[in-house]
Amino acid sequence: AQSVAQPEDQVNVAEGNPLTVKCTYSVSGNPYLFWYVQYPNRGLQFLLKYITGDNLVKGSYGFEAEFNKSQTSFHLKKPSALVSDSALYFCAVRDRGTYKYIFGTGTRLKVLA
Amino acid sequence: DAGVIQSPRHEVTEMGQEVTLRCKPISGHDYLFWYRQTMMRGLELLIYFNNNVPIDDSGMPEDRFSAKMPNASFSTLKIQPSEPRDSAVYFCASSLSIPNTEAFFGQGTRLTVV
Repeated sequence: AQSVAQPEDQVNVAEGNPLTVKCTYSVSGNPYLFWYVQYPNRGLQFLLKYITGDNLVKGSYGFEAEFNKSQTSFHLKKPSALVSDSALYFCAVRDRGTYKYIFGTGTRLKVLA
Repeated sequence: DAGVIQSPRHEVTEMGQEVTLRCKPISGHDYLFWYRQTMMRGLELLIYFNNNVPIDDSGMPEDRFSAKMPNASFSTLKIQPSEPRDSAVYFCASSLSIPNTEAFFGQGTRLTVV
């Protein structure tokens, strides 16, 4: 079965510092991986995805993610965090057989001024 | 396109009452997903449809929950009778059948059962 894991419930980072939100995956074959962000009282918003090709994927709001096949990871990164980046972040994989999206448990990012 | 539209945004109901949540997916999307989000259990997939046909309802918690998709532009999630433990945010999402495409989420319905 395909799955993703987000090992950190919460990440705290100072404004202006680089941030990383971790995600590891377990899939058979090549994965389709996604990152979403959820602001309070809002739905999930798509940030970026990995399909194939470049291991560094760029997305919305200055976010990027690094796909690492040997470590089965897809970490979300941003060079300089903003207070407005504080939100709940979800990693997901789309199952190639069932077409379901399988989400991680979410990581709450707090950017401190 | 206006995105995935859910209604109502908030629903407060008394225990035992029937609750119906509604969703309009993005036009042209052939997958529709219903999720439930709670602090305790996170984001749970309840049921999903492909071309209006339910594919997997194994996430539906009990027989009190039912979902329908009578046409490509409308789906409902019904809880009858509702219980306080059903209080949660319910999300609808839609996507294309192309596997490397993302799902688009609605704003959610916050259900409170008192």
